[in-house]
Amino acid sequence: QVQLQESGPGLVKPSETLSLTCTVSGGSISSYYWTWIRQPPGKGLEWIGYIFYSGRTNYNPSLKSRVTISVDTSKNQFSLKLSSVTAADTAVYYCAREVSWNFDLWGRGTLVTVSS
Amino acid sequence: EIVLTQSPGTLSLSPGERATLSCRASQSVSSTYLAWYQQKPGQAPRLLIYGSSSRATGISDRFSGSGSGTDFTLTISSLEPEDFAVYYCQQYGSSPRYTFGQGTKLEIK
Repeated sequence: QVQLQESGPGLVKPSETLSLTCTVSGGSISSYYWTWIRQPPGKGLEWIGYIFYSGRTNYNPSLKSRVTISVDTSKNQFSLKLSSVTAADTAVYYCAREVSWNFDLWGRGTLVTVSS
Repeated sequence: EIVLTQSPGTLSLSPGERATLSCRASQSVSSTYLAWYQQKPGQAPRLLIYGSSSRATGISDRFSGSGSGTDFTLTISSLEPEDFAVYYCQQYGSSPRYTFGQGTKLEIK
């Protein structure tokens, strides 16, 4: 069955760039929309953006100036970069698969803390 | 931006009782674009309901969704111990593409 796994540094310094990768296993990335969602500790869910395997993207306007999502179909991976991070970007970051306007498959999530 | 407001914030019930969770949208949402998720501590959300009323694969028929326009409801017919969790509604719209409600915590009374 298809599984998603996030990877990347758990600690990022303020003003630096957060970088995460999601590896898709058990299936091809070459279909569906692939998404990043985050959840600050004790708070709700925020959609960050998505990418189609072709490279087409769409971002949350609240983060658009700082976000880049890319895809590497040869590695079955997609990635998130969030620049100029602050403590407000501390959150559990999830990658997920979008099917028919909802998210049917999620990674386990990875906590990223922004601190010096 | 379509804002989803969930109520109540916390719902205290006992196993065997019926739970009714509300999700109200600031603008009309197509039923096709409304989903519900369950999240337990330390876990990723799990898709329960999509298209307002269709159960996702493997979801118990104790869970049902209904509603249209701006008012949607998730009902759990008879609570089991594993149902106590946080529930989120989510919609697909224009910009941003996706928004979530703030969540309803279902706790054991």
